[in-house]
Order: sequence, then C-alpha cells, then structure tokens
Amino acid sequence: KNQVEQSPQSLIILEGKNCTLQCNYTVSPFSNLRWYKQDTGRGPVSLTIMTFSENTKSNGRYTATLDADTKQSSLHITASQLSDSASYICVVSARTGFQKLVFGTGTRLLVSP
Amino acid sequence: DTEVTQTPKHLVMGMTNKKSLKCEQHMGHRAMYWYKQKAKKPPELMFVYSYEKLSINESVPSRFSPECPNSSLLNLHLHALQPEDSALYLCASSQDSREGSGELFFGEGSRLTVL
Repeated sequence: KNQVEQSPQSLIILEGKNCTLQCNYTVSPFSNLRWYKQDTGRGPVSLTIMTFSENTKSNGRYTATLDADTKQSSLHITASQLSDSASYICVVSARTGFQKLVFGTGTRLLVSP
Repeated sequence: DTEVTQTPKHLVMGMTNKKSLKCEQHMGHRAMYWYKQKAKKPPELMFVYSYEKLSINESVPSRFSPECPNSSLLNLHLHALQPEDSALYLCASSQDSREGSGELFFGEGSRLTVL
C-alpha cells in the first residue's frame, strides 16, 4: 500500500534554532517527492520538489534531502523564524502515468519566541 | 503570475442550499484539481480535470458536481450537502496531469461550513 509517514507529529522549537522533519514513504514506483508548507486554514505552498536522481535541494532556509534507496526524506529548517510556524507536508508522487499524489499527515511546527 | 485564485474564501450554507465554489488560474495549466481537507488531515483528492475533461472522480457523492467551463476555470457545484461536508476545499493546477509534470499549485482554499 502506498503510504507516507511523517515524524514528529508536532514540534515546538525556539526562534533562531534549527530543526529537522522526517518523511518515510512506501510509494512505488517513485516519481518525485515534494515538501509543502501549509499555514492554518490556507492552501499548501510548495517548498521543494525532488526527483529520483536528486538527493538535496534548498530553498532559502529550507533544505530537503532524499535517499531513494532507504525511501526517506528530511526537511531541515535553519535559523527558524516565527513565520515558520505551520504544518509541513511531505507528498510523494507515484509513477502511474497520471500525477497520483500520496500525502503525509504532516508535522505541525510551532516556533516560539 | 503563479496564482490559483479561489472564491469565496468562506461559505456558510444550509443543507437545502445550492452554492458554487470557483477557481481560476492563468498559468496556462491544463490540469485542475479539487481537494477536500478536514482539520489536521492531509488533502484528499476529489476530482481531476485534464484538458477540460473530467479524468478522475474519486468516488465523490453526487451532491458535489464539478464543472470546467474553460481551461482557466474550475467550479464545484454544491447541493444538498451534509454537515460532515464542512471542510477546506482546495483547488490546484499543474502543467498537465501526467506524473512528473512538475509543480502542483494550490489556491488559498474555500472554507465551507454546512449547517
């Protein structure tokens, strides 16, 4: 069964600190992996998208890694800001001919002053 | 312009009402999607339109009726909804619906409350 699991479920960190969110997936055949940021009650916003051949991609203070062999990804946030408080969703696309996305349940991050 | 615009942002309706949610994109994308998201849950796919034709219906009840008048517009017509249909409805678009076709851009969502 295609699944995406994220950990931790929630996380509280102090402003300025770094953190790392984890994503494990069983989606096969794999096409790409995306990280989205979703503020409460708003639509998800794309942070990174990585294909099989990419093992790291950065977007400002966000750096995503991908290990396609172990089917794991991480999202590292550097020098956290209050505005980073949101849910971070890992989404894996299956290579099925059509863009079938499997969503993780997200990690809710709270950055505290 | 990389926006997907949804209206209204908030909608409250009774179970006997008929209302519509609207979505618009001007990125030249040929695939558009409706997702439903309950609180603290990931989005669930409802419908996919590819080149203005309905290509996927994820067994959505008939009280939800999608419509794609043209390549830039996507509507979701609502009729005889139930309170459990209250959720955030997200519209999204991508270059096309094939896997590997790049980014999926989401709108801000329409928060629906059914009384």
